[in-house]
Order: sequence, then C-alpha cells, then structure tokens
Amino acid sequence: AQSVAQPEDQVNVAEGNPLTVKCTYSVSGNPYLFWYVQYPNRGLQFLLKYITGDNLVKGSYGFEAEFNKSQTSFHLKKPSALVSDSALYFCAVRAPYSGNTPLVFGKGTRLSVIA
Amino acid sequence: DTGVSQDPRHKITKRGQNVTFRCDPISEHNRLYWYRQTLGQGPEFLTYFQNEAQLEKSRLLSDRFSAERPKGSFSTLEIQRTEQGDSAMYLCASSLPTAGGEEQFFGPGTRLTVL
Repeated sequence: AQSVAQPEDQVNVAEGNPLTVKCTYSVSGNPYLFWYVQYPNRGLQFLLKYITGDNLVKGSYGFEAEFNKSQTSFHLKKPSALVSDSALYFCAVRAPYSGNTPLVFGKGTRLSVIA
Repeated sequence: DTGVSQDPRHKITKRGQNVTFRCDPISEHNRLYWYRQTLGQGPEFLTYFQNEAQLEKSRLLSDRFSAERPKGSFSTLEIQRTEQGDSAMYLCASSLPTAGGEEQFFGPGTRLTVL
C-alpha cells in the first residue's frame, strides 16, 4: 500500500527567503504525486502534480517541486516566500496504473512565513 | 461559484443522533470522493463514486456510515448513531477522469462535532 511522510510538522521561514517543505513516499512503481494547500476555513487547493516526464514540476503561486526517484522524495519549494504562503501543506500520492484509487495524504506541514 | 460546495458547513449533534451531509460537485465531474480529516492529520479516504456507482469504500467506513449519489450529481453522506469519535471535518472532492493523474477539487468541508 502506498504512503506519504511529511517529516516536519512545522516549517518557519523569513519572508523573501527560499522555502522547502519535505515529502517522501512509498509506492510500488512510478507514483503520481500531488501537493495541496489548505488555508483556514477553506478547502484544499491543488498546487501541482507529477505524473511523468520532467522531474521539476512548476505549479501555482510560484511553487515548484522536484521528483527524486532514488530518494523517493517530492519536496515542495519556492525561491522567495511570502507571508501569504503561510498555510497547511499536504503531499499526496496515488499508485500508478491505479485508475480510480483515491489519494493518500501525508499528515501535513504547517508553513509559517514571518515578515 | 462553480466549485465544490458542501452543506452544512458546521454541524453539532448529540451522541446517538443521525446526521446527513450533502456535497455538490463541479457539474461536469463524474467522480466524487468523500474524505475525513481529523486535527493534525491529512485527509483519509472514505468512499468514492463514478457517476452513481459507489466503486470503493475504505475500512474506515463503518456500518454506521452510508453514502449515496442517486443521480450521479450531488452526494449525501449519512452517519447513524453518531459517536464522539466521529467528530471531524468531512471533505468532498470531485474530478474528471484522466489516466490516473487528474487533480481532485475539494469543497470547504463540513465540520462535525459530536457532544
């Protein structure tokens, strides 16, 4: 069965600095990987996904993520953090060739960007 | 607003009562998912539909839980004889099928509190 680990419950970064939110996964075969963001009192919003192809994936709001098969990681990054990026971030995985299986989410990482 | 909507947004009930939640997906989406999210955790899959067919149910979905999507549009999730452990945020998501990589669009959730 597939699983996702987000090793940090909380990440603090100063505004303007680069940010990284870590994610590692476990799945048989090549995974489908996703990042979602959750703001208070709002639903999860899709940021980006990796299906196949280029290991560096660019998404919404200037975020990007790098798929690293050898390290089974899919870390979320942004070159320059904004205070408005403060939110809860979830990494998710779906097994390959699974068609209809649901997403398996990590526990989430709370990002706090300090002005 | 053409996103996923959920009703009610908040529900407080007493232990032993039945509750029903509604989800209206994005209109052209034929897949609909229910997840449960507790504090400090990522969303956990409960069940999903393709059109009106319920194709998969999680072991988390006890016999007290039932979901329907009678016309392949909106869906309801009913919890009978609620327990305090049912207190959580219940999330609905919808998607269009692709080759395994479609993103799911989430509603704002229904927060259930069982007293």
